Amino acid sequence: QITLKESGPTLVKPTQTLTLTCTFSGFSLSTGGVGVGWIRQPPGKALEWLALIYWNDDKRYSPSLKSRLTITKDTSKNQVVLTMTNMDPVDTATYYCAHSNEQLPKVFDYWGQGTLVTVSS
Amino acid sequence: AIQMTQSPSSLSASVGDRVTITCRASQGIRNDLGWYQQKPGKAPKFLIYAASSLQSGVPSRFSGSGSGTDFTLTISSLQPEDFATYYCLQDYNYPITFGQGTRLEIK
Repeated sequence: QITLKESGPTLVKPTQTLTLTCTFSGFSLSTGGVGVGWIRQPPGKALEWLALIYWNDDKRYSPSLKSRLTITKDTSKNQVVLTMTNMDPVDTATYYCAHSNEQLPKVFDYWGQGTLVTVSS
Repeated sequence: AIQMTQSPSSLSASVGDRVTITCRASQGIRNDLGWYQQKPGKAPKFLIYAASSLQSGVPSRFSGSGSGTDFTLTISSLQPEDFATYYCLQDYNYPITFGQGTRLEIK
């Protein structure tokens, strides 16, 4: 079955760079049409899509955060990494990674459990 | 970016009730819409895709409809486990956008 799990720091200081890793199983990012995305959710607020990377290395970003985000994949390790620069307290949120399939390339059918990242000095 | 507006923002209902949640897109998105259920402290669960197709394993009391700009999620007979927050998502184009959520509470 498909599983995903996020890992990374729980606390970062303002202006620092956040690096999150999504480690997955049950699928391969070398399979045509498959993608892995990142979505975040500030405490008590709505979901916000951040970035998505596909099997062919096509990358998509939220325009409002594009200058701060980088998404990469390591197919051999079954991992996707998201980096976000210049972190601010407003970036405090639970960060999720999620799988998208070839039939629904922009829809997330399997999600990780999420990881809470707090930005504070 | 396409803006997704859900209504109501919150809703109180009783077990057995029929409830409907609405999602409106700021422009036409064909039927490129999904619905998610999220319980406190948990990741969202994928319910419906292509506006009306039920994801495998989702109870048949959930249904979706709509196309263009107006969409609905209906729960035909509320069960205790259905009290949660529901989000719509448009996958018509990038950036992918979510609605602000509808919190379904027990009356």
